[in-house]
Amino acid sequence: EDQVTQSPEALRLQEGESSSLNCSYTVSGLRGLFWYRQDPGKGPEFLFTLYSAGEEKEKERLKATLTKKESFLHITAPKPEDSATYLCAVRASGGSNYKLTFGKGTLLTVNP
Amino acid sequence: NAGVTQTPKFQVLKTGQSMTLQCAQDMNHNSMYWYRQDPGMGLRLIYYSASEGTTDKGEVPNGYNVSRLNKREFSLRLESAAPSQTSVYFCASDAGTDTQYFGPGTRLTVL
Repeated sequence: EDQVTQSPEALRLQEGESSSLNCSYTVSGLRGLFWYRQDPGKGPEFLFTLYSAGEEKEKERLKATLTKKESFLHITAPKPEDSATYLCAVRASGGSNYKLTFGKGTLLTVNP
Repeated sequence: NAGVTQTPKFQVLKTGQSMTLQCAQDMNHNSMYWYRQDPGMGLRLIYYSASEGTTDKGEVPNGYNVSRLNKREFSLRLESAAPSQTSVYFCASDAGTDTQYFGPGTRLTVL
């Protein structure tokens, strides 16, 4: 069974204080790993897709990296507007490749 | 492009009442999904439709039915609502090969 574990559950940072969120996964063949941002009362908003170990993607202050067992979302010099819940999900290759398995998310709060 | 739209945004039901949640997408995607999101549980797949005319059960299908009306629309029906179905419901779509895009959600309370 595919599993995704995100840590920490919650993270509080000061503006400008860089940090990383972790997503550990177990999947029988990785088709893709996805990062989403979710603001309160809104639907998940797509950020990145990573397909293979060693791959990295960047968007503004966010950088996502992937190994064979985990992914990191690095946040450089965060601003209060980066406050949100960040969700990680995996999609397996093979017969059930339609299915996304989500972690429970990391609630990030950035204080000014 | 509106992306994925959902109606209604909020709904309160009494136990035993029925209702249909509507979802539409304008991205010409083949696949559509219904998820529920509960505190501490993450997003869980209820039903999935790979293409018009096909539907399949996800992780938590009990108490729900779905209809893929056409390529754009995918509805979720609660025949006899229960308090355990109080949740936030999200519809999503993708092209069948990659990233899923989500709607804004329907917040349902069953009393």
